[in-house]
Amino acid sequence: NAGVTQTPKFQVLKTGQSMTLQCAQDMNHNSMYWYRQDPGMGLRLIYYSASEGTTDKGEVPNGYNVSRLNKREFSLRLESAAPSQTSVYFCASRPGHNGPYEQYFGPGTRLTVT
Amino acid sequence: TQLLEQSPQFLSIQEGENLTVYCNSSSVFSSLQWYRQEPGEGPVLLVTVVTGGEVKKLKRLTFQFGDARKDSSLHITAAQPGDTGLYLCAGEDENWEKLTFGTGTRLTIIP
Repeated sequence: NAGVTQTPKFQVLKTGQSMTLQCAQDMNHNSMYWYRQDPGMGLRLIYYSASEGTTDKGEVPNGYNVSRLNKREFSLRLESAAPSQTSVYFCASRPGHNGPYEQYFGPGTRLTVT
Repeated sequence: TQLLEQSPQFLSIQEGENLTVYCNSSSVFSSLQWYRQEPGEGPVLLVTVVTGGEVKKLKRLTFQFGDARKDSSLHITAAQPGDTGLYLCAGEDENWEKLTFGTGTRLTIIP
C-alpha cells in the first residue's frame, strides 16, 4: 500500500515552460486535492476533485489546470510556468467529502521556476 | 474566502516546558483538524474535532474546538524534542468539500 504518490520529486523549469505534476492514490478514495505550500503561507488549495468526474477551483487556481484521469489519478498542469509558481506542491486524497475525513498527503514536488 | 490565522508563527522552547498554539478565524467551520508536518514530508493528521467546545487528548497534546466553532487551540504539556515540527490547523467548510489551512506554527523543542 503506497498511499499517495507524486512524481517528480524535484523539478526546475524556465519561465514559459510547461509541465504536468502527477498524483496517484491506491486507497480507493473518492476525493483528491492539489495544494501549494509557500513559506509563511501554510497550504493553499489550488484545485480539488470531490468525486471522480468533477473538478473545482480552490483558493489559488490561476495559472493551473487539472485532470481527474480516473478514480486513482489527479494531475496538475502548468501551461506556462512563472517564477511566482515556485513552491512545494502537495497532492492529497480522502475517502469522501461528506464528513470530517482525514486527508492523506503525498511527499510533495519541489518546483523551481527560473 | 475563509481565513485561519495561527499564532505564534514560530516558537522555540526548552524541553519540559508547556506551550499553547492558537488557530483563529471569523468563519464557522464544520470541523477542525490539526496536522503535523516534518521537513520534506506531507502533513499527517493528529486529531479532528467536530462539536463546539469539544476537547480531545492525545497523550501530552490537548486539542480544543471553540464553542462557536471559529477557533481552536493545541496545548502541549512537558514538550519533548520529538514534538518539533510544523503544526497546521485546517477548517472544514460547511459543505464538507474542502479544508482551509492555517498559516502554520513552526515549533522547535530544545533538548
